Amino acid sequence: SAVISQKPSRDICQRGTSLTIQCQVDSQVTMMFWYRQQPGQSLTLIATANQGSEATYESGFVIDKFPISRPNLTFSTLTVSNMSPEDSSIYLCSVEGLQETQYFGPGTRLLVL
Amino acid sequence: GQSLEQPSEVTAVEGAIVQINCTYQTSGFYGLSWYQQHDGGAPTFLSYNALDGLEETGRFSSFLSRSDSYGYLLLQELQMKDSASYFCAADTGRRALTFGSGTRLQVQP
Repeated sequence: SAVISQKPSRDICQRGTSLTIQCQVDSQVTMMFWYRQQPGQSLTLIATANQGSEATYESGFVIDKFPISRPNLTFSTLTVSNMSPEDSSIYLCSVEGLQETQYFGPGTRLLVL
Repeated sequence: GQSLEQPSEVTAVEGAIVQINCTYQTSGFYGLSWYQQHDGGAPTFLSYNALDGLEETGRFSSFLSRSDSYGYLLLQELQMKDSASYFCAADTGRRALTFGSGTRLQVQP
């Protein structure tokens, strides 16, 4: 199994500002995934991050709003830019495990005022 | 488009058996996973079905019927700690998961 940590665990931000979320894995992984979970809702994939290449974004998510870095095989960051209250969500990173499992970080709870 | 539908909420009593259904419509399908998420926690993996039939893991079992685009999670001998949200998720070959709408299970004493 993989152990994943995220920073910060939660934050309260003002609209118009940006927040960078860090995701650290205890082993090297090829692909990392970023999901958003709005309150009481399901998980929606934002993007897939491969080391050494640009992230692949899902429909409805764009690089200017959610830039992602993947500098090595154990680390990734997601920035939520020019935030509005609609960006208030839980942001989760995940990695693949064996036998079609995915392991998730504890999430970053973001509130935008 | 991709969609996985689940009942929004299910209530059951301790010791009972509950079944959470998932119907899916996806372009490309390799298997169906189930995840549990307690309030304030991260989703945790429960099971994965690539083939039709029943997979059993302790008190939890999962079933898949590809011809019906349908699966379910069966929880037996319910305990209070099973109160959580449960998500089915489709493996569409893209390695990332497409999650269902989620079912909130409330276990009552």
